[in-house]
Amino acid sequence: GENVEQHPSTLSVQEGDSAVIKCTYSDSASNYFPWYKQELGKRPQLIIDIRSNVGEKKDQRIAVTLNKTAKHFSLHITETQPEDSAVYFCAASFQGAQKLVFGQGTRLTINP
Amino acid sequence: ETGVTQTPRHLVMGMTNKKSLKCEQHLGHNAMYWYKQSAKKPLELMFVYNFKEQTENNSVPSRFSPECPNSSHLFLHLHTLQPEDSALYLCASSGGIGLAGNEQFFGPGTRLTVL
Repeated sequence: GENVEQHPSTLSVQEGDSAVIKCTYSDSASNYFPWYKQELGKRPQLIIDIRSNVGEKKDQRIAVTLNKTAKHFSLHITETQPEDSAVYFCAASFQGAQKLVFGQGTRLTINP
Repeated sequence: ETGVTQTPRHLVMGMTNKKSLKCEQHLGHNAMYWYKQSAKKPLELMFVYNFKEQTENNSVPSRFSPECPNSSHLFLHLHTLQPEDSALYLCASSGGIGLAGNEQFFGPGTRLTVL
């Protein structure tokens, strides 16, 4: 079936350290993998995305890697800051990008 | 108004009430979505519309009835809801289905409480 698994569900890191969140997906035909950040009381917002023809993408302190063979992708945040504290969701496209299926979310806390 | 807007932002209703949620997008998108966000299932897709046509119903109970009169507006009609339907209902829009990898833009959500 259509499934996206996300780990860990909670993550706590010291300010300045790196954070890594991992997701696996079930459909080998999935070709679009966005990551959303949702701050408390706010709407989810896209922070980075990657397509299946690329193995890695970076935008300042955040990067995403994709392993199509293993059907998993990861979000990497370096030099974490307090404002990085939020819930992060991964997603994968299904049915030819007709829809996105989201992971269960990771609550990231940055400790000063 | 820009982006995706939703009204009302908060709604409290009894189990016998009928109410509607409204979503409007000002982005010129062709696809619109309803999601349910709760502690149990953080982002659960409910319905997908593409060019006003429903293309996905994720086994949603019939007490939730969507309506998409045009590509800019999406409604969710609610009737005889249950307390477990209490959640944040998020609307989203994207450029269009069939285009690989379209970013979905979310509205602020409607916080629904069913008594």
